[in-house]
Amino acid sequence: EPEVTQTPSHQVTQMGQEVILRCVPISNHLYFYWYRQILGQKVEFLVSFYNNEISEKSEIFDDQFSVERPDGSNFTLKIRSTKLEDSAMYFCASSGGEGTYGYTFGSGTRLTVV
Amino acid sequence: ILNVEQSPQSLHVQEGDSTNFTCSFPSSNFYALHWYRWETAKSPEALFVMTLNGDEKKKGRISATLNTKEGYSYLYIKGSQPEDSATYLCAFKWAGANNLFFGTGTRLTVIP
Repeated sequence: EPEVTQTPSHQVTQMGQEVILRCVPISNHLYFYWYRQILGQKVEFLVSFYNNEISEKSEIFDDQFSVERPDGSNFTLKIRSTKLEDSAMYFCASSGGEGTYGYTFGSGTRLTVV
Repeated sequence: ILNVEQSPQSLHVQEGDSTNFTCSFPSSNFYALHWYRWETAKSPEALFVMTLNGDEKKKGRISATLNTKEGYSYLYIKGSQPEDSATYLCAFKWAGANNLFFGTGTRLTVIP
């Protein structure tokens, strides 16, 4: 069964450093997403991406965050200058269509900012 | 921020028991309601996507119902097995946005 692949599974970084989280969505999917879950809290939406551009973003997704789909297969989330409160599990997901299609999630990257 | 609530937060049942849990969501501007099953150290797995009031969907021993007028969905598991142990997440999509609002999940533990 097709999978969404995320790397790395765990990343520890110093506060203020840049991190790039990588995802390979399912190849024939059209919609791509990043969500995160801070320990003990709800899964929160960050950004959705369609047709090579951001279609929607949340308040969390400020100027420190960016996404790219550089080569048609990888989908990356960059955090320019990490803060302690960015520590969370970051999930990439893809879907074949909008809302009425289930998402396929990756297994997540646990980001720890120290 | 749209509020999606799930109850109970956690649940322990004996193997063979049937169980159910609830997801409540805003009843206005409804578009879709998703259910996901999330096992520890794995990725959330889509169970159902429901769009119509009165929808009932079934996958093996798991089924779900939807009431969009009153803003709730039930997930039922018949004859629980240890492998059903997981966190069950519901997520609401409203008509004005292309993203999901998640509940906190119900953590189910099935005791052999």
